[in-house]
Amino acid sequence: DSGVTQTPKHLITATGQRVTLRCSPRSGDLSVYWYQQSLDQGLQFLIQYYNGEERAKGNILERFSAQQFPDLHSELNLSSLELGDSALYFCASSVDPLPTEQYFGPGTRLTVT
Amino acid sequence: AQKVTQAQTEISVVEKEDVTLDCVYETRDTTYYLFWYKQPPSGELVFLIRRNSFDEQNEISGRYSWNFQKSTSSFNFTITASQVVDSAVYFCALSEVGANAGKSTFGDGTTLTVKP
Repeated sequence: DSGVTQTPKHLITATGQRVTLRCSPRSGDLSVYWYQQSLDQGLQFLIQYYNGEERAKGNILERFSAQQFPDLHSELNLSSLELGDSALYFCASSVDPLPTEQYFGPGTRLTVT
Repeated sequence: AQKVTQAQTEISVVEKEDVTLDCVYETRDTTYYLFWYKQPPSGELVFLIRRNSFDEQNEISGRYSWNFQKSTSSFNFTITASQVVDSAVYFCALSEVGANAGKSTFGDGTTLTVKP
């Protein structure tokens, strides 16, 4: 158990809908990272927050947004969902703003039908 | 742009064999981080190692060892005396340093199957 929690574990929704994925980092970790893993795109970095502020950005679609709250949990919002958004979404956390040792959550499996 | 190449898509070995997973990277940065992650069949991602670009010392951790060669832009991972539990997908990744320091670029992964 990495100490990082993600909810929900599975999510099935229809095209055009909006969903929110939630991540709670390990106790004491200030950085949260979001990743997408799909068969087509592989493992891709989406975005990082450190202590509430956006720190680094990858190839995150404009339909996707994220935030980190004062209690350090983070949410990834995916809107106007398309079939191609079906993927495993991982959250990870670390102590530092740099990508040091990251602890990954179990992931949220999103299926868009 | 940064790029990570794991040329070996799949490797199959018999238990107790040694196996090396290759990773070649491209970056214009002089300072960067390299990582290896393991994704077992259960799906979770596990951090294995981080190496920064100015530390070319090889590292050994139990049956795992890593060979970083800046001259060839490679960061290879060797498992000695492989075990069935080593069966997983292994990812190599490269991270920038600086303003976008949290961004990592991953290779496509190498699926390792260790047969009993």
